[in-house]
Order: sequence, then structure tokens, then C-alpha cells
Amino acid sequence: GAGVSQTPSNKVTEKGKYVELRCDPISGHTALYWYRQSLGQGPEFLIYFQGTGAADDSGLPNDRFFAVRPEGSVSTLKIQRTERGDSAVYLCASSLSGGPADTQYFGPGTRLTVL
Amino acid sequence: AQKVTQAQTEISVVEKEDVTLDCVYETRDTTYYLFWYKQPPSGELVFLIRRNSFDEQNEISGRYSWNFQKSTSSFNFTITASQVVDSAVYFCALSVPSGNTPLVFGKGTRLSVIA
Repeated sequence: GAGVSQTPSNKVTEKGKYVELRCDPISGHTALYWYRQSLGQGPEFLIYFQGTGAADDSGLPNDRFFAVRPEGSVSTLKIQRTERGDSAVYLCASSLSGGPADTQYFGPGTRLTVL
Repeated sequence: AQKVTQAQTEISVVEKEDVTLDCVYETRDTTYYLFWYKQPPSGELVFLIRRNSFDEQNEISGRYSWNFQKSTSSFNFTITASQVVDSAVYFCALSVPSGNTPLVFGKGTRLSVIA
């Protein structure tokens, strides 16, 4: 079956602009996660959805970052007033039911570059 | 708080050599889950293995093997007879029931296998 997909694969924007990154999880997976990976680092947690609701958004760095999952499937990560420090690869993952024992399956990521 | 340490930043081996990637974890929880992921140059994180804290049996899958030792809080990964296609960044990760469900990743080990 299809894996996790993310669009766009690359996004270049200017400082101060607004961007949206999209994630389409594996069909049937109720849990969806966003991570951010900077160069030479492991992925860092941003936000976790269980169904339509954000179960944990403690990893969002500030209020410029926001994510939604209105129908419990596709999710959009939104970044307002982008800064150069937001440049990173944004990874999305999904798992069947959530929970620490569940295996998370990752998408290919969106590489965001803020000029 | 949970922490994962991958002390080896980069490893370079010649094809057909065996190589071990180290992973040391920290948690106060008695129940926890350990994972290894592979990130090839394409960027997508590929799940390799999940192990729970109650199962200390070592595991072998083809050329891959994992050595879980609770006494030293380590979950090391060995590739036997390495191949060029094994070149990637490998991440060890940890999740616990008491904390957030997302994974806590190490910084990764970049493995280069030279023909």
C-alpha cells in the first residue's frame, strides 16, 4: 500500500512569508506526527495528532507554528512569518493507533529553505 | 527525561567488513521501546526494528543483528558483511508510556561503506 506522502518535496520562501506543508498519512492510521530535522541532527518532535485533535503540541517552537488535521487524515503544518532559522526538513509520520509501542512510518519530508 | 546518545558521528568501513553502531539510552521508566531507523541519501526514514524493554533477546535479520543489554542501557546494531547500499545515517530512538508518545531520537551515525 501507499506510504506516507508529503508535499511539496522542496519549498523555498522569503523571510516573513507564510508557508503550508502537507502530509498524507498511511490509510487507516489514526495517529499523525510532525518532526523537524536540522542538518546533522536527529528528528525533533513538533506535534502529535490522535484523530482530528492535537494530543500533544509541546514541541512547537513558538506561536508562528500551527498544524491542523480537520478530517482525521491529511494534516497541514502552517508557519507564519517565516525566519531563516525555520530552514530544515519537516518530516511527517503516522502510526496505526498512537502510543509508545506503535511503530511510526515516515514520509520523505519537505525541505524548507527560508532566504 | 528521556535521552538517546549515539556517540559515533561518522563511521567509514570497507565493503564486507562488519560494523557496529552504538546506542545508549536514558530513561527512568521500566517500560520503554527502542527503535532503529535508516535514513538513506533519499532522506526518508526507514523503520528497521522495534524492541520493548521486557524482551532482551538479541535479534537477527539477515545481515542485521541487534544486541539489547539493559544492564548497560545499550541497544547496539551490527551489520555483517557490509555493502555499499548500507551507506546511510542510522538513528536510534526511544519512546516511553509515561511521557509524550513521540520518539526521542539520537543524533544519528553516518555510515559510509566504501567499495
